[in-house]
Amino acid sequence: GAGVSQSPRYKVAKRGQDVALRCDPISGHVSLFWYQQALGQGPEFLTYFQNEAQLDKSGLPSDRFFAERPEGSVSTLKIQRTQQEDSAVYLCASSFPRGAMNTEAFFGQGTRLTVV
Amino acid sequence: AQSVTQLGSHVSVSEGALVLLRCNYSSSVPPYLFWYVQYPNQGLQLLLKYTTGATLVKGINGFEAEFKKSETSFHLTKPSAHMSDAAEYFCAESHGNTYDKVIFGPGTSLSVIP
Repeated sequence: GAGVSQSPRYKVAKRGQDVALRCDPISGHVSLFWYQQALGQGPEFLTYFQNEAQLDKSGLPSDRFFAERPEGSVSTLKIQRTQQEDSAVYLCASSFPRGAMNTEAFFGQGTRLTVV
Repeated sequence: AQSVTQLGSHVSVSEGALVLLRCNYSSSVPPYLFWYVQYPNQGLQLLLKYTTGATLVKGINGFEAEFKKSETSFHLTKPSAHMSDAAEYFCAESHGNTYDKVIFGPGTSLSVIP
């Protein structure tokens, strides 16, 4: 596709439910990022992949959060046993690695997760 | 640690007036700097970026920003505000050693008054 695609756009989960959020990056992009954006705040970094390797997961708030990118393209962010504080917009972005060119991160429209 | 601050969580300007959104970074190493715009229920769109070279950077929709190392600032301006400029604006920085991890500021909500 032409841009970063995320699905679903909206997700309502009952507290304690597991959810999976999908990100389709721009074709050929090596780098993939996940961010969490709480209401009224800036995006907070969660994790980064270079191809299939998860090089940085320092932003994941707890061990309930898990991300994968097994074939170096599509990525899934999984949240287990969701809590109300997990309610946020989850943004995915992709880019080339530094060194190839002056790059920018292209963002998807996000998945708005509401935990009730 | 990297951090980005944006003075003013909400700015209101009249249509046709100057837009000035402030951003300061904390890195001691000159970073890459970005301004993103976010419209309601939309993803982030890059307005402009500073990497190296000319410190005055021009972006889309008539916006520009100037990198001032001495002030550790990267303020965003536009000479004349349009109603369509109403949105959330995020300043961000990046200088990961091996990849473009982007650190965002808290954002400034811009309102344009007719």
